[in-house]
Amino acid sequence: GAGVSQSPRYKVAKRGQDVALRCDPISGHVSLFWYQQALGQGPEFLTYFQNEAQLDKSGLPSDRFFAERPEGSVSTLKIQRTQQEDSAVYLCASSLPSLRGVLQETQYFGPGTRLLVL
Amino acid sequence: AQSVTQLDSHVSVSEGTPVLLRCNYSSSYSPSLFWYVQHPNKGLQLLLKYTSAATLVKGINGFEAEFKKSETSFHLTKPSAHMSDAAEYFCVVSDLGSGNTGKLIFGQGTTLQVKP
Repeated sequence: GAGVSQSPRYKVAKRGQDVALRCDPISGHVSLFWYQQALGQGPEFLTYFQNEAQLDKSGLPSDRFFAERPEGSVSTLKIQRTQQEDSAVYLCASSLPSLRGVLQETQYFGPGTRLLVL
Repeated sequence: AQSVTQLDSHVSVSEGTPVLLRCNYSSSYSPSLFWYVQHPNKGLQLLLKYTSAATLVKGINGFEAEFKKSETSFHLTKPSAHMSDAAEYFCVVSDLGSGNTGKLIFGQGTTLQVKP
């Protein structure tokens, strides 16, 4: 079946511009995660949704970052007033819900959106 | 807090020779551990995962990893490297536990180079 898809694949923004990154998870996956991967680094957690509820946003680096998943399916990560340090690959992953303390479900990753802020 | 440390940032092997990528973890409870691979300009692909069943975990493409609690290690191995194995490899631990959501915590990555 179809995997996780993300769009756009590449985005070039001028400093100060707002951007919106889209994630389409695997159908039926209630858990959705966003990660940020800087050049040469491992991905770092940004935020987590279970259905439409944003249960963890502890990784969002500033209040310029905002994520939503209004209908519990597609998610959008928005970055306002982009800065050069926002340049990174933004990864989305989806999974079935993990049973806390018991079972860790596999997260399936999309291809990412490469954001370059000039 | 959960964390992983990948002991080598770069590993170079010859085609047909064994591969060893080293990873140590830190976890306050029984961890869920993963190895993901990332080929250039491609998404992260799961190689294998450990979730407290058998300590020797077999994955795709001939890779396997052994969970050693006494050494807090989860090293990735393959008996014979292939050119197509050249990629970036990430050791990952989940924060799943009481009150946590299961977000993944990645190591810094190991670049595997395979020489002909």
